[in-house]
Amino acid sequence: QQPVQSPQAVILREGEDAVINCSSSKALYSVHWYRQKHGEAPVFLMILLKGGEQKGHDKISASFNEKKQQSSLYLTASQLSYSGTYFCGTEWGAYNNNDMRFGAGTRLTVKP
Amino acid sequence: ETGVTQTPRHLVMGMTNKKSLKCEQHLGHNAMYWYKQSAKKPLELMFVYNFKEQTENNSVPSRFSPECPNSSHLFLHLHTLQPEDSALYLCASSLGLAGADTQYFGPGTRLTVL
Repeated sequence: QQPVQSPQAVILREGEDAVINCSSSKALYSVHWYRQKHGEAPVFLMILLKGGEQKGHDKISASFNEKKQQSSLYLTASQLSYSGTYFCGTEWGAYNNNDMRFGAGTRLTVKP
Repeated sequence: ETGVTQTPRHLVMGMTNKKSLKCEQHLGHNAMYWYKQSAKKPLELMFVYNFKEQTENNSVPSRFSPECPNSSHLFLHLHTLQPEDSALYLCASSLGLAGADTQYFGPGTRLTVL
């Protein structure tokens, strides 16, 4: 079962903030976040493991709420380079990387 | 050399053709994956190899045949494909199969089946 991402698309002005959510119907072991620009490979952003992690680098951060079986990606003071499609990938076991399921993606457009 | 490379980048083939996609990783990883990415659909896992052994075949039709001769190379052999098989095929690798192991993706092969 694929995780559900919301929203499907979002348009921002440079400097605005956005939140992308990823929800699962099953208990999660880990959540992986990727960004894919058109015509390019998905690029790894961060991974969060169960235990209620929060992580961040630069102005992109994420949280993982095990109880809610949900992860959120936070983009603050967005830049033009943030444009792309953001995917979450979810796994249900510690040694289950062979069953990662991806959400349908959230298309983020940042305008000047 | 970039981490995960794929060739060709674009491929157009007829339904009766036989072709192969190639993936190579230079990261020293032990696990490799094939994904299918269709328009407006989530990434679909097709095959997983760990230490050259196939560990997952996600109900993929037999017209797709993977081959993993060593931990650095992965092939996807294609024959008698259908137009609905047109998609971006992505290869990925990770150190292992642990849930904490990051998957690194190649740029993909854009396949068009006529």
